[in-house]
Amino acid sequence: DADVTQTPRNRITKTGKRIMLECSQTKGHDRMYWYRQDPGLGLRLIYYSFDVKDINKGEISDGYSVSRQAQAKFSLSLESAIPNQTALYFCATSERGTQYFGPGTRLTVL
Amino acid sequence: GQQLNQSPQSMFIQEGEDVSMNCTSSSIFNTWLWYKQDPGEGPVLLIALYKAGELTSNGRLTAQFGITRKDSFLNISASIPSDVGIYFCAGQVGRAGSYQLTFGKGTKLSVIP
Repeated sequence: DADVTQTPRNRITKTGKRIMLECSQTKGHDRMYWYRQDPGLGLRLIYYSFDVKDINKGEISDGYSVSRQAQAKFSLSLESAIPNQTALYFCATSERGTQYFGPGTRLTVL
Repeated sequence: GQQLNQSPQSMFIQEGEDVSMNCTSSSIFNTWLWYKQDPGEGPVLLIALYKAGELTSNGRLTAQFGITRKDSFLNISASIPSDVGIYFCAGQVGRAGSYQLTFGKGTKLSVIP
């Protein structure tokens, strides 16, 4: 079984819709992250959480929000999706600085 | 913020050839990580480097943490078709466990059978 899982794997939605992407981990790590990946831009950090009560904005947090429901769960929300949020989204967990990534969610906003 | 220059951007090589790619930065990093990403999947950690000068191997892969702490390279020996993918370097500033990873833009590797 995968250590870091993401749901859904693919999602197509319309502009203005609210979307939630979910991430679960069985690695027992306290630290979790959300990234987006765009062609030619690499991975950019959206939000990160060091534990359930500690959530921080990353490089590109505008238009996104997160919720850390438990140590094992970290969800990313787009309150009102827009087309330039079309991207691959990755969740990650970390221990000792080494980050482990989920399989990704491909989100398309029409 | 920190920036990583990863090169080359893409490579086409014959099966069996050796491959070398590198990352450089104007900033010092305390950790260097190398990831591989297959199409439609998340990056998978290949090698983690925690000390300047460290040389670490993982099968046919070898990576080194530069002495200046501003660069790292990854070598793949005797490439095979399943080596195809995008390879990312990532550097971390600060003590181990701090959040901030800076990623290179990736090297896309194609292997010609």
